[in-house]
Amino acid sequence: AQRVTQPEKLLSVFKGAPVELKCNYSYSGSPELFWYVQYSRQRLQLLLRHISRESIKGFTADLNKGETSFHLKKPFAQEEDSAMYYCALLSGSARQLTFGSGTQLTVLP
Amino acid sequence: KAGVTQTPRYLIKTRGQQVTLSCSPISGHRSVSWYQQTPGQGLQFLFEYFSETQRNKGNFPGRFSGRQFSNSRSEMNVSTLELGDSALYLCASSLGGFGDEQFFGPGTRLTVL
Repeated sequence: AQRVTQPEKLLSVFKGAPVELKCNYSYSGSPELFWYVQYSRQRLQLLLRHISRESIKGFTADLNKGETSFHLKKPFAQEEDSAMYYCALLSGSARQLTFGSGTQLTVLP
Repeated sequence: KAGVTQTPRYLIKTRGQQVTLSCSPISGHRSVSWYQQTPGQGLQFLFEYFSETQRNKGNFPGRFSGRQFSNSRSEMNVSTLELGDSALYLCASSLGGFGDEQFFGPGTRLTVL
């Protein structure tokens, strides 16, 4: 069965500091991975997906199949980045979206 | 374009009752998926409907069921409610399925007393 692990429930960084939100997965097949974000009082929304290889709002994430990780990174955190971040895995055969437990990021002024 | 809407937004029921939640997807989206969000279990996938057919299902008991209509609107039903069913129920729509961007609704907060 697939599993997504986000080891940090809470993460605080200062504005301008680099930030990395960790995501590890277990899945025997070829995964598709996503990061979703939920800002305060807003809906859950897609931030980025690994197949797009794009940078959204300064965030990037690289799929590392050897380490089974998909960490989310940003070189210089901004206060508006404060939100709940979820890593999610789409399994090929079962076509289920499995979410991690989420990391609450707080960017301090 | 209008986003995903869910009704009702809040619901209070008692144990043993049943409940029906509704989700209206973004116009043109044919896939609707449902999720349960709780503090203890996080976000868990319930099922996905595409063109009126259940295409994928998570690991929930048969008390949880759903359907999709020809206009892509979807309903989720929970029978014989248990206290543990108290949760935020989210639906998301997309053009064709999980490979496409999922757009989430605001959720329905269900409280079972």
